[in-house]
Amino acid sequence: GQQVMQIPQYQHVQEGEDFTTYCNSSTTLSNIQWYKQRPGGHPVFLIQLVKSGEVKKQKRLTFQFGEAKKNSSLHITATQTTDVGTYFCEGSYDKVIFGPGTSLSVIP
Amino acid sequence: NAGVTQTPKFRVLKTGQSMTLLCAQDMNHEYMYWYRQDPGMGLRLIHYSVGEGTTAKGEVPDGYNVSRLKKQNFLLGLESAAPSQTSVYFCASSYGHLNSPLHFGNGTRLTVT
Repeated sequence: GQQVMQIPQYQHVQEGEDFTTYCNSSTTLSNIQWYKQRPGGHPVFLIQLVKSGEVKKQKRLTFQFGEAKKNSSLHITATQTTDVGTYFCEGSYDKVIFGPGTSLSVIP
Repeated sequence: NAGVTQTPKFRVLKTGQSMTLLCAQDMNHEYMYWYRQDPGMGLRLIHYSVGEGTTAKGEVPDGYNVSRLKKQNFLLGLESAAPSQTSVYFCASSYGHLNSPLHFGNGTRLTVT
């Protein structure tokens, strides 16, 4: 069936290092959403990407939607301890599917 | 604005017991969802509703029932709880379907012994 995969599953970085998580869909998506979930918290919406090749930035976070609209990435520049959490992508086509998430740990 | 409110926050059930999880949203959203979250499995859709009086099955509906009698409320019921239903349950709402971001409640941590 249709799937949305994310890699890596876990990432441990030293504070100040960069971090990237990738989201890959087995089918072409209408749009993709990214969420952040802090430990013990609930998913919080970060951004939506709709157009092929779209790039959006939020301070140190850069989001990209692939040309084929089957993959996306989230890049964090110079991680901080406040970036700790799990980052989920959510792909939409005729239904919505969440990726399994990438858990980010930041070592001070 | 409270957003999406879930009750209770925690619950422990014995196998075979029943319970209802309550979700309320004050954003006038048409669409509401119930997800469960298990380690390494991400968020899986249980049931959803596209408007008052309507419900539909999601990815993992077995063992659960839902009702949407009022636009602002979406109830999730477990008629006979099983240990496999131990999970964190999240309610969410959205303005549109498939093209709008989800607003999540704080979650309910359910343990079935």
